[in-house]
Amino acid sequence: GESVGLHLPTLSVQEGDNSIINCAYSNSASDYFIWYKQESGKGPQFIIDIRSNMDKRQGQRVTVLLNKTVKHLSLQIAATQPGDSAVYFCAENGVDNYGQNFVFGPGTRLSVLP
Amino acid sequence: EPEVTQTPSHQVTQMGQEVILRCVPISNHLYFYWYRQILGQKVEFLVSFYNNEISEKSEIFDDQFSVERPDGSNFTLKIRSTKLEDSAMYFCASSLAASNEQFFGPGTRLTVL
Repeated sequence: GESVGLHLPTLSVQEGDNSIINCAYSNSASDYFIWYKQESGKGPQFIIDIRSNMDKRQGQRVTVLLNKTVKHLSLQIAATQPGDSAVYFCAENGVDNYGQNFVFGPGTRLSVLP
Repeated sequence: EPEVTQTPSHQVTQMGQEVILRCVPISNHLYFYWYRQILGQKVEFLVSFYNNEISEKSEIFDDQFSVERPDGSNFTLKIRSTKLEDSAMYFCASSLAASNEQFFGPGTRLTVL
């Protein structure tokens, strides 16, 4: 079946360094992807999205890269801060389900070291 | 800034009891969703709702589950006869359009004893 997965379940980075969180997806028909951040005890929070007609999208300190050839998504966080510590989920919104639900990956825990 | 709200924040119930989880989506949004997250696991889609009817549901959303929009602001998830394995965080979300950013509420933690 369709699935979204992550290469790295945990990631520890030094404060100020850049972080890269990776995600592999299996549904080549997916056309919309979102990165969510989830802090302990809270709901997922939107970070950045990208549609399949784009390869790269930048936000404030975050960049999402989409490689459709290998079905890979990454989230880059520049100058990682302690407040970035959280679990990060990638999610895909497949075209074959009318785009009304997201399939979430298992998540990567980002720990920012002082 | 508008946000999705959910009540209660924590619900404890006995196995076999009915529970209703409540959500107030963002006011101008048209699509509503329920997700669940078992402790330590990923977020799983349950159901989407549009134009006063279910538009999509997962295999998790069996006959024990139902959703309703009883008025212009609330969106509820009912579990008719709770099981131990229903213990999880339940997140409500809403979006303006179908393939668009979904805004999540803070969740309701359901504990079934």
